[in-house]
Formats: sequence, structure tokens, C-alpha cells
Amino acid sequence: NAGVTQTPKFQVLKTGQSMTLQCAQDMNHEYMSWYRQDPGMGLRLIHYSVGAGITDQGEVPNGYNVSRSTTEDFPLRLLSAAPSQTSVYFCASSLLAGVYEQYFGPGTRLTVT
Amino acid sequence: AQSVTQLGSHVSVSEGALVLLRCNYSSSVPPYLFWYVQYPNQGLQLLLKYTSAATLVKGINGFEAEFKKSETSFHLTKPSAHMSDAAEYFCAVSSTGNQFYFGTGTSLTVIP
Repeated sequence: NAGVTQTPKFQVLKTGQSMTLQCAQDMNHEYMSWYRQDPGMGLRLIHYSVGAGITDQGEVPNGYNVSRSTTEDFPLRLLSAAPSQTSVYFCASSLLAGVYEQYFGPGTRLTVT
Repeated sequence: AQSVTQLGSHVSVSEGALVLLRCNYSSSVPPYLFWYVQYPNQGLQLLLKYTSAATLVKGINGFEAEFKKSETSFHLTKPSAHMSDAAEYFCAVSSTGNQFYFGTGTSLTVIP
């Protein structure tokens, strides 16, 4: 089991560029989520999915899109990068929402200049 | 609405001393509670979780936490700190909804 994998590990973007952060899990988990981590703010939920074809917004969804076409994959798209999106992004998965713990990927450190 | 408050963004303890990291939650329904640890440049790892069984929960690396409904608390403790415990610790809460809510984290420093 690879668990939760994320690519890339590091990325530098210019303002206005778009990109996709990849996330995959091999544990057959229904629930997947994306967080951003900023100093002193903990983890803030961007988007989440309770199963293939179902996504919903979290606390800070603006500027980000997601889709869930398969159980395994949950990519996060930045539509037009802004310096305020400089952050560390974590993908996580869980067997079911709420009851079971989440398993986290290693993170993607994104810098927008 | 649910929320988590972690008192103390930075905690320093001497090696061998008691570790106490505080977490208070707000939830209108019986919560599920979690403690995670994050080492530098890594993702979060589960330390322990409370899911309405025993109120005293034991986790990995000698950590434990006690669920106190009357105080809406879920504080994390370890009797004797080790240098390898230096890390960032996050408390999280969820319930019957589809979201987990994280505290802002506590950075633990262990002084030799």
C-alpha cells in the first residue's frame, strides 16, 4: 500500500498561471479532502468528496476546483494562481466521513510569485 | 457548527517532564475527536482517536488523551517527554457531518 500520494512535492507558479495538484489513494476510501496549511492557521478545508462523482466545498474553496471521477483520484485545480494561494497543500482520505481517521499525503509546497 | 481551540501555540517542556497539550471543542452532537502529529516537512499522522468508547484513549508513542464531556475537552498527555516528541500537534473534531475541523496547532519543543 502506497497510502495517499501527492505530486508534485514542490511547485513555483507565476500569478495567473493554472495547475493541477494530483492526489491518489490505494485504500479504497470513499472520503477524500484537500486542505491548505498556513502558519498559525492550522489546516483549512478547501474541498471534499464523499464518493466518486460527489464533491462539495469546504471553508476556503474560492480559486480552486475539484472533480472525482474515480474512487482513487482527487485532483485539485488552481484556476488562476494568486500570491495568496502560496501554501502547503495536503490531500487526505478516510474510509468514511467523520467516524474514521484521515490518512494524509506528504504535501505539496506551492509558491506563487 | 463545530470548532476546536488549542490553548498555547507553543509549549516547551524539559526532557522527562510531563507533556500536556490542551484541546477544547465545540459540537452540538456527540463528537469524534482526533489528535495528529506533524513532523517537519511531513504530512499528519494519527496519534489517537476518541469514538465514544472508553473516555481514556491510548495512542502511539506513549501518548493518551481523556475525553471530558462536562468540560468539552480532549487534552493530550504523555508522562515523560522524549526529544523525538518535538513536533506540531493538531486536535481535530468531526461528527455526523462530512467535515473535520482542525485546531491551529501546538508546537512542542523538548529541552534537553
